[in-house]
Amino acid sequence: ELKVEQNPLFLSMQEGKNYTIYCNYSTTSDRLYWYRQDPGKSLESLFVLLSNGAVKQEGRLMASLDTKARLSTLHITAAVHDLSATYFCAVDIGTQGGSEKLVFGKGTKLTVNP
Amino acid sequence: GAGVSQSPSNKVTEKGKDVELRCDPISGHTALYWYRQSLGQGLEFLIYFQGNSAPDKSGLPSDRFSAERTGGSVSTLTIQRTQQEDSAVYLCASSRDSFFYEQYFGPGTRLTVT
Repeated sequence: ELKVEQNPLFLSMQEGKNYTIYCNYSTTSDRLYWYRQDPGKSLESLFVLLSNGAVKQEGRLMASLDTKARLSTLHITAAVHDLSATYFCAVDIGTQGGSEKLVFGKGTKLTVNP
Repeated sequence: GAGVSQSPSNKVTEKGKDVELRCDPISGHTALYWYRQSLGQGLEFLIYFQGNSAPDKSGLPSDRFSAERTGGSVSTLTIQRTQQEDSAVYLCASSRDSFFYEQYFGPGTRLTVT
């Protein structure tokens, strides 16, 4: 059974600080996604990582994928309050090579304090 | 442009009743997915439609759950004889096709079974 483990599950940090969220998964996959969810809202796509060594950056967030280690990271640089949300990683376990079925981690609830 | 829409946004039903949840994907998207999000189980894949292919139903938790997609567009998720453990937020997502990797999520339907 595929397991997708995120840590930490809860993260409280100060504005201006850096931190990394980790996502480990237990099966071979080269398709990994990061989503953001605000309270009471749906999921917003942040990054799609499709190959070993992929790195993507958007603003203060940077995501990377190491398929050999089965590890993805989401790095937060100089956090601001607006980044407070829950972040999910998801691994695609479909067999056809596209976007099929995602297995999600439990999410990391990030709170950025002033 | 218009995103994925779902209706109703909230549904309260009595145990044992049947419910239907509707999803309108982004126009032109051929792939459609259903997930559910609950406190106990997190985010779980339910079912996936791609064009006219047979749907992947591997995530449906029991035979009380079924889904159909009419005309390759709108989808309905039906839960028969609802149980309290069916209470969750049911999320629909669509993708241009299953080889376009990004899944766009709708706002969800919050189902409460009393």
